[in-house]
Amino acid sequence: QQPVQSPQAVILREGEDAVINCSSSKALYSVHWYRQKHGEAPVFLMILLKGGEQKGHDKISASFNEKKQQSSLYLTASQLSYSGTYFCGTRGSNTGNQFYFGTGTSLTVIP
Amino acid sequence: KAGVTQTPRYLIKTRGQQVTLSCSPISGHRSVSWYQQTPGQGLQFLFEYFSETQRNKGNFPGRFSGRQFSNSRSEMNVSTLELGDSALYLCASSARQGTNYGYTFGSGTRLTVV
Repeated sequence: QQPVQSPQAVILREGEDAVINCSSSKALYSVHWYRQKHGEAPVFLMILLKGGEQKGHDKISASFNEKKQQSSLYLTASQLSYSGTYFCGTRGSNTGNQFYFGTGTSLTVIP
Repeated sequence: KAGVTQTPRYLIKTRGQQVTLSCSPISGHRSVSWYQQTPGQGLQFLFEYFSETQRNKGNFPGRFSGRQFSNSRSEMNVSTLELGDSALYLCASSARQGTNYGYTFGSGTRLTVV
């Protein structure tokens, strides 16, 4: 039931764009996105709720396709500070069931 | 505003011992969740507490237990430690129960079992 993310790893040059996908085998109520830098705790980026889409940052946005049980995170004009591991987090209902984190995507931005 | 505080930051224990980890959520946050993070398994859900009640539990053996106090502080206990319990244990708090609110994570407790 753990969401699967793709790609597992990606290397970008500054200014390039990237897309990270999160796919679940279960119906989703909401999707969270987090970024974790090496040696640090995960940091919340944004939530996407069923029936809507929420953008957390100017150059980092996301979409949520309820029918396909998928979410995608879009990073545009990447900066060095974007490097880290990105996790999606999902749950099938608002308060019930477990909250599952995805398998993670390692993103490295190089000069 | 203080963040999520986890103590201790590092622990070294021997197989068979037990350990208690502590988490103080952001002031006003009533929901606390615990996760185990390992290189091979990623972030695995342990428990979720809200208003002193365990709302959800992950697929971990009964050696893993937790509780939440009236001030929303939470503890988790692992008894009869095994080598495989070595991991980073992360606590996250949220303003309310439910996934409409983002989680704020603490810096974690790095547990090493030898």
